[in-house]
Amino acid sequence: EAGVVQSPRYKIIEKKQPVAFWCNPISGHNTLYWYLQNLGQGPELLIRYENEEAVDDSQLPKDRFSAERLKGVDSTLKIQPAELGDSAVYLCASSLDVADAEQFFGPGTRLTVL
Amino acid sequence: GNSVTQMEGPVTLSEEAFLTINCTYTATGYPSLFWYVQYPGEGLQLLLKATKADDKGSNKGFEATYRKETTSFHLEKGSVQVSDSAVYFCALRGQGGSEKLVFGKGTKLTVNP
Repeated sequence: EAGVVQSPRYKIIEKKQPVAFWCNPISGHNTLYWYLQNLGQGPELLIRYENEEAVDDSQLPKDRFSAERLKGVDSTLKIQPAELGDSAVYLCASSLDVADAEQFFGPGTRLTVL
Repeated sequence: GNSVTQMEGPVTLSEEAFLTINCTYTATGYPSLFWYVQYPGEGLQLLLKATKADDKGSNKGFEATYRKETTSFHLEKGSVQVSDSAVYFCALRGQGGSEKLVFGKGTKLTVNP
């Protein structure tokens, strides 16, 4: 069974440019998470989806970040415009449902903003 | 709020050495506790978990016991291998189905042959 798929794996952009990350969760997983992982830190939740509904986006900087999960399957996280401080790894994870203790993580997208 | 503090790294050991990575937490009630492992170039993988006090989680020779009295969940392995080289994250999830995972900063382990 395929795991969580993320693309691209690496992205280098100049500041003020837009960027988008894509995530395809494990088939049948209703809950999808986006995390931010800064260098030397643990992941921090940005947003959680239950099916197509964003149910916890309190940590998402809404002035420049947006996310969508059309049809409750794959998801896109966008930054517009990117800032130098956005350089980090963006992780996607999924679980069967919100009560399921185990989250399965993708390999992440490493973003570098120059 | 909930938080996790884990031992600063990096940790460097020789093969077959004993491993301990300390993890303590702050949370109300009875959180669930986890250890995740991140191998180079890969996503985080659940290594083991414990959902109530005195539970012992174990997997691949690793163990951790949920100690409510000391609010700890230390990771141990009796004999590490080169293939155990990775970053290890302690995490907790508060009571309630919608609570989020809170991670520690991670501890990088390098095992030399």
